[in-house]
Amino acid sequence: DTGVSQNPRHKITKRGQNVTFRCDPISEHNRLYWYRQTLGQGPEFLTYFQNEAQLEKSRLLSDRFSAERPKGSFSTLEIQRTEQGDSAMYLCASSLGPSPNEQFFGPGTRLTVL
Amino acid sequence: KQEVTQIPAALSVPEGENLVLNCSFTDSAIYNLQWFRQDPGKGLTSLLLIQSSQREQTSGRLNASLDKSSGRSTLYIAASQPGDSATYLCAVDNQAGTALIFGKGTTLSVSS
Repeated sequence: DTGVSQNPRHKITKRGQNVTFRCDPISEHNRLYWYRQTLGQGPEFLTYFQNEAQLEKSRLLSDRFSAERPKGSFSTLEIQRTEQGDSAMYLCASSLGPSPNEQFFGPGTRLTVL
Repeated sequence: KQEVTQIPAALSVPEGENLVLNCSFTDSAIYNLQWFRQDPGKGLTSLLLIQSSQREQTSGRLNASLDKSSGRSTLYIAASQPGDSATYLCAVDNQAGTALIFGKGTTLSVSS
């Protein structure tokens, strides 16, 4: 048990609907990351927070995606107007930073868009 | 652009065998290299982290080495067990020391 929790664990939605995922990091960790993983691939970076500030966003994070980390604690990832290509495992990780910055991952949220 | 490659993509061995998984990266300007284990449908479990100034790290039956100048890392698993069956992922920090860049993984199957 790494201490990072994610909810829900599974989400099935219809194309065009909005979905929101939540991540609770390890309590003392100030850095929080979102990644996306499709079948047979390694995780791909989406975005990164240090405390409440979103410091880095990948080109993968289209305008339909938004992430927040109010008060520097839990984080939410929202996908608007979902598409079938959004189907993936969404992983959250946290770290204490800055060095050695070992990242610890949660169990993921599996999204299926019908 | 940093790229991480893992060879082989899949590996099957009998129980008790020692084995080596390989990871290579194209840009040697990394901060850390992490090895992870992923069971089917699950999240990632951190196995070992090697900082750029280090050459190797050990945890139990696992030993990871890093040759930053040649852009290579190996994960050595001693006396493999069926419970070691999983996908092993290698990842490096990008130049900003924040996001991890992953390989596609090596799927290991250990038979009893």
